[in-house]
Amino acid sequence: AQTVTQSQPEMSVQEAETVTLSCTYDTSESDYYLFWYKQPPSRQMILVIRQEAYKQQNATENRFSVNFQKAAKSFSLKISDSQLGDAAMYFCAYRSAIAGSRLTFGEGTQLTVNP
Amino acid sequence: KAGVTQTPRYLIKTRGQQVTLSCSPISGHRSVSWYQQTPGQGLQFLFEYFSETQRNKGNFPGRFSGRQFSNSRSEMNVSTLELGDSALYLCASSLGSTGRETQYFGPGTRLLVL
Repeated sequence: AQTVTQSQPEMSVQEAETVTLSCTYDTSESDYYLFWYKQPPSRQMILVIRQEAYKQQNATENRFSVNFQKAAKSFSLKISDSQLGDAAMYFCAYRSAIAGSRLTFGEGTQLTVNP
Repeated sequence: KAGVTQTPRYLIKTRGQQVTLSCSPISGHRSVSWYQQTPGQGLQFLFEYFSETQRNKGNFPGRFSGRQFSNSRSEMNVSTLELGDSALYLCASSLGSTGRETQYFGPGTRLLVL
């Protein structure tokens, strides 16, 4: 079974600064997808970024980028130029390429952005 | 396009009762997955439906069941409610059921069992 671990329960960053959230996962599969979701106080889960395991290039979405290290099974999220609206719980998630839509989530990292 | 909608948004039940939650996926999406979110257990996968068939099931007791209709709308049912069933129940939809599809989540139904 796959597992996802987020070792930072809480992180804080100053507005306009950069912060990196960590995620490691364990799997015996070679083809899979990794995601970062954001859950603000409204509890609506919002997709931030996704990474295909077969792609060596790290995914980027505006101020959000990932550092995907397949051999190390590491998938960190970098948020640049942090904004107050980035404050939320961030979840790292894994999905197999062959086992349907099931997502396996990490424990989450609560990000605080200080003005 | 309208996003994923879930009804009701809030629900209060007592132990032993049963409850039905509804999820309407994004138009054109045929896969619906359900997740339970609690402070203690985090986000856990309940089940996935695609074209009215259950494709995957998580490790939950038989009190948790679901179904999907021909219009892709899905319901989940919890019978004989227990205090531990208090949670945020999230529904997510995607175009298909392969790992390549991106899932989009609804706002959730918050269930409180007294």
